[in-house]
Amino acid sequence: DTGVSQNPRHKITKRGQNVTFRCDPISEHNRLYWYRQTLGQGPEFLTYFQNEAQLEKSRLLSDRFSAERPKGSFSTLEIQRTEQGDSAMYLCASSLPRGQGTYEQYFGPGTRLTVT
Amino acid sequence: GENVEQHPSTLSVQEGDSAVIKCTYSDSASNYFPWYKQELGKRPQLIIDIRSNVGEKKDQRIAVTLNKTAKHFSLHITETQPEDSAVYFCAATTTDSWGKLQFGAGTQVVVTP
Repeated sequence: DTGVSQNPRHKITKRGQNVTFRCDPISEHNRLYWYRQTLGQGPEFLTYFQNEAQLEKSRLLSDRFSAERPKGSFSTLEIQRTEQGDSAMYLCASSLPRGQGTYEQYFGPGTRLTVT
Repeated sequence: GENVEQHPSTLSVQEGDSAVIKCTYSDSASNYFPWYKQELGKRPQLIIDIRSNVGEKKDQRIAVTLNKTAKHFSLHITETQPEDSAVYFCAATTTDSWGKLQFGAGTQVVVTP
C-alpha cells in the first residue's frame, strides 16, 4: 500500500493519560499535515510540516499537543494529559513539494481517539 | 482567516437524478478548491479540484464550477448512483501559503434506488 498510513487506527484512553499517534506519508511527499475531525464536521487544520520543519500551528493546538517529524519522513502527534474534549478522529495528509504543479493532499485513514 | 460555508447539510436524491452542493468562501486570495468524498469510517478521498484560473472542470459524472467574483463554487454530480452516497466536503486554500485546507461542514448525500 503506497498511500498515507496511520497507527494506531483506534485508541481508547483514560482522561489524564498521554497518547501518541504516528503518520507515514507517501514516500515522495515532503509536506505533511495533521487535521482533527469531530463527528458531523469537516477536518480542522492542526499543524503542518515541510520536511522536518514545523511551519505552522493552529490555535486549536494547545500546549498539551506536540508534533514532530524528526527526519522528514514519518510524523508523530502526542497529546499529553488527555481530556474528553480531545476525543476525535486525527487525520494525517501529505502532498508533493510546492512548485511541482500539484496541490492535492492525500489523507490517511485516521486514528480515532476516545477519551473516557 | 478563511471561512468556508457549505450547503445543504443533507441532500436526498433519487438514483439517476443530479445533486448539487454549494460552497462559499471568504478569502479572495484563495485559489485552490478541492472536493473530498468520505464514506462512513473511511478516509476523505479527493474526487475533483479546481484552481482559480478556470471556471469549470469535469471528470465523468462529476463537475465543479467556480465563480471568483461571487466567491462560491459548486459540485455537480449527474446520474447519481447508490455508491455516490457519502459525505462530501468542499475546501479552500491559497497555494502560495502552506496549503492548509479550510473545510466546509460537509453534505450528507443519500441516493435512494
